[in-house]
Amino acid sequence: GENVEQHPSTLSVQEGDSAVIKCTYSDSASNYFPWYKQELGKGPQLIIDIRSNVGEKKDQRIAVTLNKTAKHFSLHITETQPEDSAVYFCAATLSFKAAGNKLTFGGGTRVLVKP
Amino acid sequence: EAQVTQNPRYLITVTGKKLTVTCSQNMNHEYMSWYRQDPGLGLRQIYYSMNVEVTDKGDVPEGYKVSRKEKRNFPLILESPSPNQTSLYFCASSFGQGQGNTEAFFGQGTRLTVV
Repeated sequence: GENVEQHPSTLSVQEGDSAVIKCTYSDSASNYFPWYKQELGKGPQLIIDIRSNVGEKKDQRIAVTLNKTAKHFSLHITETQPEDSAVYFCAATLSFKAAGNKLTFGGGTRVLVKP
Repeated sequence: EAQVTQNPRYLITVTGKKLTVTCSQNMNHEYMSWYRQDPGLGLRQIYYSMNVEVTDKGDVPEGYKVSRKEKRNFPLILESPSPNQTSLYFCASSFGQGQGNTEAFFGQGTRLTVV
């Protein structure tokens, strides 16, 4: 089955700096890659996603890049703010197949933005 | 408001005492699943359901049961809980296969401690 590895496990940045989280996946058939943000005491919430027919996607201060050949994708947060402090999860899935929308998650990255 | 509701939020129980964690969604989603979250392991899928009366094992199903008698409800049952099932549990729902939108919506989580 699919295996997703995520690095780093913790990331501390100064407010205003950029943060980058990297994930690799094992199944070349995976075609949908979402990123979830989990704030303290809450469930994960989708913040951005990318499909395998796209190399990069941006939404204000966050962007995701995908390299299908190398089977890795990354989350970039620019101009970090204290409210960006959270745990971030990457995931991969074989969308639209018989197994439904099963998400395989990375181990998570705890991001701390220091004011 | 579109949401996934889990109950209870916190639960402390003793080994062997059967318990049920409820999950309900109001978005008419076909696909529902249960995950457990453990430090460094991310979220791992326990069971999933593609529609009413259709359930299947995820990656870590041992010690758990589920049922899907109605589209909106997907309870997680621990028949004989053991300490290694101490974890943070999340229910999630999304549209089904081929629906185009694979975003998963998560509940607030249930923190279970088995002593």
